[in-house]
Amino acid sequence: QSVLTQPPSASGTPGQRVTISCSGRTSNIGSNYVYWYQQLPGTAPKLLIYSNDQRPSGVPDRFSGSKSGTSASLAISGLRSEDEADYYCASWDDRLSGWVFGGGTKLTVL
Amino acid sequence: EVQLVDSGGGLVQPGGSLRLSCTASGFTFSIYAMTWVRQAPGKGLEWVSDISGSGSTKFYADSVRGRFTISRDNSKNTVYLQMNSLRVEDTALYYCAKDRAVGGKTGFHNWGQGTLVTVSS
Repeated sequence: QSVLTQPPSASGTPGQRVTISCSGRTSNIGSNYVYWYQQLPGTAPKLLIYSNDQRPSGVPDRFSGSKSGTSASLAISGLRSEDEADYYCASWDDRLSGWVFGGGTKLTVL
Repeated sequence: EVQLVDSGGGLVQPGGSLRLSCTASGFTFSIYAMTWVRQAPGKGLEWVSDISGSGSTKFYADSVRGRFTISRDNSKNTVYLQMNSLRVEDTALYYCAKDRAVGGKTGFHNWGQGTLVTVSS
């Protein structure tokens, strides 16, 4: 069981906006930044969002992150077929002195 | 261009040992923290271990502490993961990753291709 909680699946149609939630605790999300990773089938993960809401160079502005208290969200607007992937949230945990990941959310574009 | 090449995986019996390597290029290796993350077949991501740029600070997941040792050789631009007392549940694709920025705990910006470790009798 993962320390951070994500829904196992999400779906949307092309052009739609979808959000993926990530719930944690004071020791992780409540005290530290949240990061989001995208993993396309058969590939290594890719950093999508860092420091709660920042996009690395090259990541489209269709992807946005937010954090409030001990929860965070990833929003994808203008959904495209190539967004179909697994999405993971992560944060440093002060109590565990280590990184913790969510269990991942499989996004399906219908 | 940042490149990370993971190697050293293979088939090993329970209780055995293996050493993974991650050779880096395209950046000043010695100033970035490096991380190992694993992914069991069909499962999610699991953080394994972190090491600071100087190698003086190391962190481990509870699941591997006491069995795995992370180290680095900055003269060879390489980070290692020595895995001892391997268990069936250590079977996974192991990725090394580079921190996004200097200072650590900034997210994993670059990833290797992964090296597969299979623990089975």
